[in-house]
Amino acid sequence: FMLTQPHSVSESPGKTVTISCTRSSGSIVSTYVQWYQQRPGSAPTTVIYENSLRLSGVPGRFSGSIDRSSNSASLIISGLKTEDDADYYCQSFDSNNLVVFGGGTKLTVL
Amino acid sequence: QVQLQESGPGLVKPSETLSLTCAVSGFSISSVSGYYWGWIRQPPGKGLEWIGSLYHSGRTPYNPSLKSRVTISMDTSRNQLSLTLNSVTAADTAVYYCASLTYYDSSEFPKYFHHWGQGTLVTVSS
Repeated sequence: FMLTQPHSVSESPGKTVTISCTRSSGSIVSTYVQWYQQRPGSAPTTVIYENSLRLSGVPGRFSGSIDRSSNSASLIISGLKTEDDADYYCQSFDSNNLVVFGGGTKLTVL
Repeated sequence: QVQLQESGPGLVKPSETLSLTCAVSGFSISSVSGYYWGWIRQPPGKGLEWIGSLYHSGRTPYNPSLKSRVTISMDTSRNQLSLTLNSVTAADTAVYYCASLTYYDSSEFPKYFHHWGQGTLVTVSS
């Protein structure tokens, strides 16, 4: 299956943004979804795992959710800060433990 | 604190073999609990692509698109991981990352990539 993300999103500081990740086949709830943040010039870091759990140290402004009706996962960032300006990738596993990454979404906070 | 550091030649000629190592500190990779390990790459200006993983059992799931050319292994005496990619082309030019991979104790199913190395750029060019 594939995970499809919007190429880019933009929002103003202090606002809330939602980044979607749509699974092409199979149910979005069949395996967990993770989210990774990659700031320019840096390695990725883990933000959300198991659909909605924040890794230790990740601000509470970051949250994750699942929507069965659209077969998609979402990363929601509230109270946007300029430091949130980054690329975000969703990731899941198929039934054979193979890793699938979404294409990534560039978030611009302007 | 687990830390990972990739290293290897920054330039590889087409048709040759790319070999990278990932030094792990703060954790013994020979431990039968804690983490699996993985390699991920990112072509310049593009997204993340999973290469493969290494489990405690020795199982190595690979990306089907790379499976025929990839080998992932570990050297427990040096506490490092290795990645070998054969018959490289310009399309293999990328930043290569190693990462720790958590898993569920009950099922041994992988959970998420936790610690990441800083990455190393490999350019394939004559």
